[in-house]
Amino acid sequence: DGGITQSPKYLFRKEGQNVTLSCEQNLNHDAMYWYRQDPGQGLRLIYYSQIVNDFQKGDIAEGYSVSREKKESFPLTVTSAQKNPTAFYLCASSNLRDRGPEAFFGQGTRLTVV
Amino acid sequence: KNEVEQSPQNLTAQEGEFITINCSYSVGISALHWLQQHPGGGIVSLFMLSSGKKKHGRLIATINIQEKHSSLHITASHPRDSAVYICAGSNFGNEKLTFGTGTRLTIIP
Repeated sequence: DGGITQSPKYLFRKEGQNVTLSCEQNLNHDAMYWYRQDPGQGLRLIYYSQIVNDFQKGDIAEGYSVSREKKESFPLTVTSAQKNPTAFYLCASSNLRDRGPEAFFGQGTRLTVV
Repeated sequence: KNEVEQSPQNLTAQEGEFITINCSYSVGISALHWLQQHPGGGIVSLFMLSSGKKKHGRLIATINIQEKHSSLHITASHPRDSAVYICAGSNFGNEKLTFGTGTRLTIIP
């Protein structure tokens, strides 16, 4: 079955450490996205990539980095520069269709800084 | 101001009730998505629509392009429908989604 896989589901990190969240899709989608969700707020876009080896900052990119070396993979690194990294992170992918993009989401990774 | 506004923020209803969640969006959004997020956090895409109405089981989504308004209806609601429902807008040619803040639905048996 095609889909998006995020791992791990729960992640704990010590302050000052970098951590990488994995996102893999086998849907052959060109575009992939990382969103952050905080209580009481809508999802906010961190980074997105519309093609391999290219990515763009979203609304809240500071303290994060990404890479897109393969179409299937779009890992997100939460760096020590991110001031408030504890959040729920969602990865998504989409393919532009005639009527607009159809988006698929992973199950999310809940990151807690301890 | 968010480009996508949802209401209500929270909704509690008895099992069997007809549920309506509303979403208003701004100029520039040409397709509307309805998403369901369960307590574990995973999100499922329910509908994507740019005109008219779509139905899947007990779920119905409608969109009024002139009024820039969409609704998600749930008929014969059930406790398993309890989740956060999120609407999101997108533009043709731009795959990024703009999200509403979600509606937390609780169905009481």
